Amino acid sequence: GENVEQHPSTLSVQEGDSAVIKCTYSDSASNYFPWYKQELGKRPQLIIDIRSNVGEKKDQRIAVTLNKTAKHFSLHITETQPEDSAVYFCAASKGGSSNTGKLIFGQGTTLQVKP
Amino acid sequence: DSGVTQTPKHLITATGQRVTLRCSPRSGDLSVYWYQQSLDQGLQFLIQYYNGEERAKGNILERFSAQQFPDLHSELNLSSLELGDSALYFCASSVGLAGRRGQSTDTQYFGPGTRLTVL
Repeated sequence: GENVEQHPSTLSVQEGDSAVIKCTYSDSASNYFPWYKQELGKRPQLIIDIRSNVGEKKDQRIAVTLNKTAKHFSLHITETQPEDSAVYFCAASKGGSSNTGKLIFGQGTTLQVKP
Repeated sequence: DSGVTQTPKHLITATGQRVTLRCSPRSGDLSVYWYQQSLDQGLQFLIQYYNGEERAKGNILERFSAQQFPDLHSELNLSSLELGDSALYFCASSVGLAGRRGQSTDTQYFGPGTRLTVL
């Protein structure tokens, strides 16, 4: 079945360091991979996404890489700041007009950035 | 603010009761998704509606049902509530299949959620 594994479950870094979160998906038909940031009690907020026809995407301090062959994708946050502290979720879906687009989420990573 | 609204924000009820959660998608979005977030299960897809029709079902219990109305708002009905149904319920919306020019058809924007507590 469809499954997304996410590691690590918790990550603690010093302010200014980089953080990397990795996800592996099972369904080779998945073609859309968003990352969400969720603060305690708040809604998941999209921070970056990538499609299967792209290997890497960057937005300021955030980047995502995708390896379709290995079926894994990673979130990289550089120059971390205390406000980056939150739970991060990866997800996978089969987008496009012939699919539903439902998101299958990883288990989440709690990132703590220490000042 | 994502443009997706959900009511109520909080709901406290007793076991065996029935509740209705409401979601209004972003203007122009045709797809509505419902997700359940509990401490031990993470974010789980429940059900999707597109332009009034059910499009996909996840691990949604038979006690749960949903619908999308002509104005595109959606309601999630939870009945015969059990303690284990206590969770955050999010809806998300996306443009859906009829993508606007330059707009991803897959990006989902989440509402603020409804926190359900079953006592």
